Amino acid sequence: DTAVSQTPKYLVTQMGNDKSIKCEQNLGHDTMYWYKQDSKKFLKIMFSYNNKELIINETVPNRFSPKSPDKAHLNLHINSLELGDSAVYFCASSQVGGHTGELFFGEGSRLTVL
Amino acid sequence: AQRVTQPEKLLSVFKGAPVELKCNYSYSGSPELFWYVQYSRQRLQLLLRHISRESIKGFTADLNKGETSFHLKKPFAQEEDSAMYYCALTDQTGANNLFFGTGTRLTVIP
Repeated sequence: DTAVSQTPKYLVTQMGNDKSIKCEQNLGHDTMYWYKQDSKKFLKIMFSYNNKELIINETVPNRFSPKSPDKAHLNLHINSLELGDSAVYFCASSQVGGHTGELFFGEGSRLTVL
Repeated sequence: AQRVTQPEKLLSVFKGAPVELKCNYSYSGSPELFWYVQYSRQRLQLLLRHISRESIKGFTADLNKGETSFHLKKPFAQEEDSAMYYCALTDQTGANNLFFGTGTRLTVIP
């Protein structure tokens, strides 16, 4: 009974392609996030979604678009992939109003752009 | 803007030795700080939060507002402590947004 699950775990693709990473949480949380971890292990927030509303977008190129069909899912769609998009992408969820700062993370999706 | 700095990318200590992972922050408001840990082949998970003033797995961290620090300490390191440690700060908006430091990889040498 995985709490936060991401698919795929590994994704290798060519520059210019469009790809999606899916995320699902079964914790009943109302907020979900996407983080990017670069080659230096630096974790940077990309998006957070609360009740289907985007509430933060930290200087992320508009080639990246989060899509949330319901509050248990937050998918990440990337258009026109570039070499610099290669990274590990982590999905997370939390319950706003619960323990502040406690995020539950997925295992990560490693994207390699050739 | 908020910022979290972890000056050490790598830290190695011998088993049984004390360990301290450094974290400094800058934030205009009243911060809430956390330590997250990622063991090999496991998910990133919360280790402890400053507001709870708790000790988890022998680790403690004290928020020092004067020095804007939140260093993680353990008196006697164990091999199973080897992991990647991230210091994080929340901006206390309604979204629980966490901002992470660059992380420190701790290796405990047997």
